[in-house]
Amino acid sequence: AQKVTQAQTEISVVEKEDVTLDCVYETRDTTYYLFWYKQPPSGELVFLIRRNSFDEQNEISGRYSWNFQKSTSSFNFTITASQVVDSAVYFCALSEAQTDSWGKLQFGAGTQVVVTP
Amino acid sequence: ETGVTQTPRHLVMGMTNKKSLKCEQHLGHNAMYWYKQSAKKPLELMFVYSLEERVENNSVPSRFSPECPNSSHLFLHLHTLQPEDSALYLCASSHRNTGELFFGEGSRLTVL
Repeated sequence: AQKVTQAQTEISVVEKEDVTLDCVYETRDTTYYLFWYKQPPSGELVFLIRRNSFDEQNEISGRYSWNFQKSTSSFNFTITASQVVDSAVYFCALSEAQTDSWGKLQFGAGTQVVVTP
Repeated sequence: ETGVTQTPRHLVMGMTNKKSLKCEQHLGHNAMYWYKQSAKKPLELMFVYSLEERVENNSVPSRFSPECPNSSHLFLHLHTLQPEDSALYLCASSHRNTGELFFGEGSRLTVL
């Protein structure tokens, strides 16, 4: 069975601080996909990144970066120089890599990030 | 128009009512999903429609009945709900063979 654990329930930082969100996953599949989504107060989840299990290269997109470590089954997410607009709930998710399975995501419980000015 | 639109945004209903949630996507996607988000629980996948055919029913009680009349519209019909069904119901869509889901803003349901 698949499982995604986000141990941090809430993280509070002051603007311009860096914040790292942890994600640990469990799966018996050899190929799978990992995702991060952001849920601002408005409610809709916003896709941030998809990473397949074969690609362990770290990725950077603006102030966002992701560290995928297959050996420790972790897919951590760092926001550099946080801003108030980064305040949201962030979800890590996992799916099988089979056709038609990609939208069937197993989500973690989410981490609430609060950025204060 | 936004990509995925859900109506109503808020709904309060009694346990004996019948209501429906509506989802519409304008992205040309061919797969649509219902997810349930309850307080202090991870998002749960409820139903998946691929090319208008239901391909997943994640052990959801029969008081929830989905309908996908075409690739752009998805409904969730609600009947005889329980207070524990109160949650945020999120609709999403995607291209069938990609993992990137586009979510609506959700319908906040309260069952009295």
